[in-house]
Amino acid sequence: AQKVTQAQTEISVVEKEDVTLDCVYETRDTTYYLFWYKQPPSGELVFLIRRNSFDEQNEISGRYSWNFQKSTSSFNFTITASQVVDSAVYFCALSEAGSGGGSNYKLTFGKGTLLTVNP
Amino acid sequence: DTEVTQTPKHLVMGMTNKKSLKCEQHMGHRAMYWYKQKAKKPPELMFVYSYEKLSINESVPSRFSPECPNSSLLNLHLHALQPEDSALYLCASSRQTGAVQPQHFGDGTRLSIL
Repeated sequence: AQKVTQAQTEISVVEKEDVTLDCVYETRDTTYYLFWYKQPPSGELVFLIRRNSFDEQNEISGRYSWNFQKSTSSFNFTITASQVVDSAVYFCALSEAGSGGGSNYKLTFGKGTLLTVNP
Repeated sequence: DTEVTQTPKHLVMGMTNKKSLKCEQHMGHRAMYWYKQKAKKPPELMFVYSYEKLSINESVPSRFSPECPNSSLLNLHLHALQPEDSALYLCASSRQTGAVQPQHFGDGTRLSIL
């Protein structure tokens, strides 16, 4: 069964600090996909990134970077020089390709990490 | 602005009322989803539609009735709800169902049952 653990329930930082959000996953599939979503107070979940299990390259997008390590089953997310607008709940999620060639619909979310960036 | 539009943003209803939540997307996506999210919890999947047909019902009580009139619209009809049904209801869409497809979410409808 698939599982996603975000051990950090809440994190509070001061603006301009770097912050890393941890995500550890469990799966028996060899083909799977990892996602990060941001949920600001407005409620919408904003898709940030997708990573497939065969691509361990780290990715950087502006102030955001992601570190995918299959050896430790982790997909951590770092925000550099945090800003107040980064305050939100961040969800890590996992989807398994399963045996149906990609027909699996289920997106398993972690419990989320509430990030508060103070001015 | 989100590309998945949900209306209304807020809804307060009594336990005997009948109301509907609406969701619309114009991205050409053929998979649409309803999620329920309680405070400080992750979203929980309720229904999945694929090519306008209901493909997944995650054992949701019959007081929630989904409908997909066309490829752009998804409704959730509500009847005889309970106070514990108060939550944020999120609609999402993806190009198709499948593990690789990122889901795009709307802002949600905050539902309160009196």
